[in-house]
Amino acid sequence: NAGVTQTPKFRILKIGQSMTLQCTQDMNHNYMYWYRQDPGMGLKLIYYSVGAGITDKGEVPNGYNVSRSTTEDFPLRLELAAPSQTSVYFCASSYSMGTRYTGELFFGEGSRLTVL
Amino acid sequence: AQSVTQLGSHVSVSEGALVLLRCNYSSSVPPYLFWYVQYPNQGLQLLLKYTSAATLVKGINGFEAEFKKSETSFHLTKPSAHMSDAAEYFCAVKRASGSRLTFGEGTQLTVNP
Repeated sequence: NAGVTQTPKFRILKIGQSMTLQCTQDMNHNYMYWYRQDPGMGLKLIYYSVGAGITDKGEVPNGYNVSRSTTEDFPLRLELAAPSQTSVYFCASSYSMGTRYTGELFFGEGSRLTVL
Repeated sequence: AQSVTQLGSHVSVSEGALVLLRCNYSSSVPPYLFWYVQYPNQGLQLLLKYTSAATLVKGINGFEAEFKKSETSFHLTKPSAHMSDAAEYFCAVKRASGSRLTFGEGTQLTVNP
């Protein structure tokens, strides 16, 4: 059971380059999230999705884009990379049971991105 | 808007001692509350959650937390620390009707032999 899979695990970008962080889950979860983690700052929500075709901004969406064409995949696109986007990125997924959504998240192992 | 504050970015205890990690929340409506643990170079794992049932919640690895509405707190405890408990711990809050979790800044727990 793979759970939430993120690729790549590590990446170094030059300023101005673009890239996509991939996230796939095999648990048929309808909710998916992208967070970034910076030392001493906790996790900040970038974007999230409550189902295929539906996405919404989180706390820190600037410089990022997402799409959700399938239930399984939720890629995060970085356009024109900047040093401020150096961070560890986590994808997470979750599920609702009927009308009750408890919000328990299942996390991938993270993607460490450095922008030089 | 809801938020959480974790008191103490670093906590150090001796093996066998009580672990107490503090979390206070701010929410205009009754929240759901979570504690997650992160081991080095890994993603976060759920330790326990409060979703308006019993106020004392038991989680994995001997951890528990008590929801205290009067104190707006959800502190995490473990009676006896083990070396394997060394990790970073995050408190998180969610509105019962919402779909977004807000995380605290984290507390790094060190366990000394």
